Amino acid sequence: DTAVSQTPKYLVTQMGNDKSIKCEQNLGHDTMYWYKQDSKKFLKIMFSYNNKELIINETVPNRFSPKSPDKAHLNLHINSLELGDSAVYFCASSQSGQGKFETQYFGPGTRLLVL
Amino acid sequence: SQKIEQNSEALNIQEGKTATLTCNYTNYSPAYLQWYRQDPGRGPVFLLLIRENEKEKRKERLKVTFDTTLKQSLFHITASQPADSATYLCALDWTGGFKTIFGAGTRLFVKA
Repeated sequence: DTAVSQTPKYLVTQMGNDKSIKCEQNLGHDTMYWYKQDSKKFLKIMFSYNNKELIINETVPNRFSPKSPDKAHLNLHINSLELGDSAVYFCASSQSGQGKFETQYFGPGTRLLVL
Repeated sequence: SQKIEQNSEALNIQEGKTATLTCNYTNYSPAYLQWYRQDPGRGPVFLLLIRENEKEKRKERLKVTFDTTLKQSLFHITASQPADSATYLCALDWTGGFKTIFGAGTRLFVKA
């Protein structure tokens, strides 16, 4: 009965490698997000997708490419990993609505360490 | 650009007391202001939302106030318990949900 799930939970890799993180939500939401939380615990929005369409791209390097195959999934592919990419990546989802705000539900996070 | 400031130092209080956490922001008032709780190694969990035209919201032992003149929100936990120990994040939204900006959070320690 997990609401927002992410895989893998931990990811340790070498600089220069390409890796993917997967996210799935079973809440029936139409909006999904990727956030990065760095070592100072600052949670920063990276991407927002609404009905599989990219809505927000917060000046993230184009080495990061999100893909939303359907409304329940938002994957994140990272090319040519750099040391500075080490962080915890959180996926979240919410339901949009006209004149209405719905809160976000977060996944457990993926801890990425680039060596 | 918008800035959010939360107490960077940890807040230590005794069990049973009221914890008060502060969130200040610059520039325009957001349409929505939220408070989340984050435990170590886990994702943030939503607690309360308050809109710009609301002054106060309550939920059980939690209370949030929103002062758009001071550009500040206060988050109160009454009758605090050790289980309330966590990091509390303030989050502001101007876009109806597509782009939420989070503060760095304040760590709360409640001693038994």
